[in-house]
Amino acid sequence: AQSVTQLDSQVPVFEEAPVELRCNYSSSVSVYLFWYVQYPNQGLQLLLKYLSGSTLVKGINGFEAEFNKSQTSFHLRKPSVHISDTAEYFCAVSDRSNTGKLIFGQGTTLQVKP
Amino acid sequence: ETGVTQSPTHLIKTRGQQVTLRCSSQSGHNTVSWYQQALGQGPQFIFQYYREEENGRGNFPPRFSGLQFPNYSSELNVNALELDDSALYLCASSYLAGGRNNEQFFGPGTRLTVL
Repeated sequence: AQSVTQLDSQVPVFEEAPVELRCNYSSSVSVYLFWYVQYPNQGLQLLLKYLSGSTLVKGINGFEAEFNKSQTSFHLRKPSVHISDTAEYFCAVSDRSNTGKLIFGQGTTLQVKP
Repeated sequence: ETGVTQSPTHLIKTRGQQVTLRCSSQSGHNTVSWYQQALGQGPQFIFQYYREEENGRGNFPPRFSGLQFPNYSSELNVNALELDDSALYLCASSYLAGGRNNEQFFGPGTRLTVL
């Protein structure tokens, strides 16, 4: 079985500052890793994914994440945030089975202040 | 290319009633997964349908059931509604081939309130 822990429930940050949202996972098998964003009253949008290969993954809207197998982490980073980045962010893992079912963390609320 | 759509947007039911939620998958996709997102929580996997059959199920009771139609659209049915069923229900479609399920694309969700 897999589990995901997002270490911060809320992250306040000022506009144009860098941000890191932390994610750790637990799994006995190899996994795929994802970050999704959810804006108020909307569904989930994929920011980026790690399937294999380079451990540094670049996504949409200037976000990137680094897969660290030894630390079982997949932290999300952005060098300079905008007000429009204010949203809920979810880290998720998939166990590479044919369902591709996603196991999500509890979410981190990113609050970007002017 | 149309995305994943869900209906209705919002729904209010009373305890004990039954509800049906609907999802149209993205063009070219053959698989639909359903997730329940309680307030302040991450989504939880309910089940997945592939080729009109259940292809994996999460830890949800049998009163949660589903269907997939030949056009790959899907329904989620919940019987004997309980207050804890109040949540955002998300549908995601994807393309399963060669034993591998690719990226899931999510719809906007249906907000269910049980009174």
